Order: sequence, then C-alpha cells, then structure tokens
Amino acid sequence: QVQLQESGPGLVKPSGTLSLTCAVSGGSISSSNWWSWVRQPPGKGLEWIGQIYHSGSTNYNPSLKSRVTISVDKSKNHFSLELTSVTAADTAVYYCATYDFWTSHAMDVWGQGTTVTVSS
Amino acid sequence: QSALTQPASVSGSPGQSITISCTGTSSDIGGYNFVSWYQQHPGKAPQLIIYEVSNRPSGVSNRFSGSKSGNTASLTISGLQAEDEADYYCFSFTSSTTYVLFGGGTKLTVL
Repeated sequence: QVQLQESGPGLVKPSGTLSLTCAVSGGSISSSNWWSWVRQPPGKGLEWIGQIYHSGSTNYNPSLKSRVTISVDKSKNHFSLELTSVTAADTAVYYCATYDFWTSHAMDVWGQGTTVTVSS
Repeated sequence: QSALTQPASVSGSPGQSITISCTGTSSDIGGYNFVSWYQQHPGKAPQLIIYEVSNRPSGVSNRFSGSKSGNTASLTISGLQAEDEADYYCFSFTSSTTYVLFGGGTKLTVL
C-alpha cells in the first residue's frame, strides 16, 4: 500500500513562494496514479490544487493555475508543489494524495497533511 | 466552476439513519459515475469511504452507502454511531476546465 508524507516549511512570508514535497513510499511514482495536492484553510473545506502524472502531464485548478507548479522527481520517488505570490489566504493544511483515475476515480490514499502559515 | 453543493450540517441520534446530499450538474455528477465520498475527523486527513457512487473500499463499514439520481449524489449512514461524528465531503470528476470538484462539506453531529 502506497504511503505519502508531506514536508516543507511551515511558515512562508507574504509574496513569497510556498514549496512542499510529497514523498511516496510502498510504491513507485511511475505507477498509474495521478499525484495530487489538496488544501484546507482553517475551518474551511477541501480545495483541489492540481495533479501530475509520472509522464509530466498536469492539471491545475483554474483559480490557482497562474501561481501553481507541480513537478515530479522519479529518481527521488517524490512530487512537489510550488505556489508563488502567497498571501494570508494561502494559509492552510496542505495534503498530498493519489487520484486513481483508472480504477476508483477517487483519491484513495492521503498524506497526513502539513500546515503552512503565510505571515511576516 | 463552483463547488458541489452540500448541506452545511446534519444531525441524528445513535442508531438512526441520515442522508447527506451532494448536488452538481450534468457536467459532473449527472454525467459520470465518478462520485466519491470522504470522512474527515478533526485534525485528521480525509479518508475515502465511497467511490464510483456506491462502492466501498475494503475495510469501510457497510453502514455507509452511496447512490445517485440525476445531478444529485447521496451518502447514507445507517445505525449511526458516535464515531461517525465528522465532516463529510463529496467529490466528482467534471468535464469542465476545473477537472475535479469537491463539495463544500457537511458536518455530521451525533446527538
């Protein structure tokens, strides 16, 4: 069973860049999953950020697309999120997850989440 | 595109059944059987409990069931237990540029 673990700075300054990594264990990032990022602002619901396939193909939430880059590193078996020009509205728990497009059409494995605060 | 529409809250007593609705459009829920549901306890990551409208992953209680009619999907929890108190989110593939959508979430309170 695949396991996911997010890592990265917990504090980012306004106008800076948020960078997170999701380490994949128990499976290969070159498998048939799409690798996704989801966030949850304090006290609010889940928001899909985007996803990447091991080939490098990506899909992004149109509301964030101009600021988001998701990339994959096959050699390290991990994928990453960069969000530029952050503001306080980007403060959230960030989750990485697998999106099984081919079988369940669902996000069936989630990381534990990492809290990112945008503040000076 | 806006999120899928869920009631903000529902409640029920132990042993009762409750249903949470999730309303979308013909571009998402109505057009595909790709609806899933997630349970999230406070401070925890979401957990998949229903996929492809009505299928349960291994290990998920058969007290959880899903269905769909037109543009609305539903999650039913029967025999409510205290441990079911959590937030529930629906999720669907969409043919719009948004690609996938979450519902706004429903807080279930077990009285």
